[in-house]
Amino acid sequence: EVHLSQSGGGLIQPGGSLRLSCAASGFSFSSYSMSWVRQTPEKGLEWVSSITESGDNTNYADSVRGRFFISRDNSNGTMYLQMNSLRAEDTAVYYCAKDHALFSMDVWGQGTTVIVSS
Amino acid sequence: DIQMTQSPSSLSASVGDTITITCRASQAISFYLAWFQQSPGKAPKSLIHATSNLQSGVPSRFTGAESGTDFTLTITNLQPEDFATYYCQQYNSYPLTFGGGTRVE
Repeated sequence: EVHLSQSGGGLIQPGGSLRLSCAASGFSFSSYSMSWVRQTPEKGLEWVSSITESGDNTNYADSVRGRFFISRDNSNGTMYLQMNSLRAEDTAVYYCAKDHALFSMDVWGQGTTVIVSS
Repeated sequence: DIQMTQSPSSLSASVGDTITITCRASQAISFYLAWFQQSPGKAPKSLIHATSNLQSGVPSRFTGAESGTDFTLTITNLQPEDFATYYCQQYNSYPLTFGGGTRVE
């Protein structure tokens, strides 16, 4: 069964750093792009970042560029989101998703909550 | 950035009804339009990709269509498990963008 298991969320002070992980199973991880999407009641679903199969190319939303860094380790089937200089407006539920140029985000992780607050 | 305008923001329906949700893109996105369903407290679930292609396991009562920059999701014979929030998303170009959601209640 195709599955994405997320970890790493929590409560963090403004200006702090946090790393989210997304462990894949049930499919050939190195054959798919991957993405992070976050959700808040106010802004709904917001795409955060994507990374290609090899990890050679990445894209970021303007709101996180320069602060967040996406990466992947194809040897252990895991994707990461390193979040630095966190702000209150980064508070959200973060989802990872298996991505495809044609099929879009066809599998999602369970989500992990990030709360940025003093 | 491509704006995705989704309507209505909410609608009331009953089991057995047919409903249609519309998503309008601010510029051409070819067929790169996906629909997602989200129940409270759950992750979004992919329903349709490439405008009209059902993801594996999605019932045939879900239909996607397109007319220019307008895209529609139609659900026929609404079932109890279909009462949820639906989102469209364009994946033609970065930044990927979502519609604001339609709550079906």
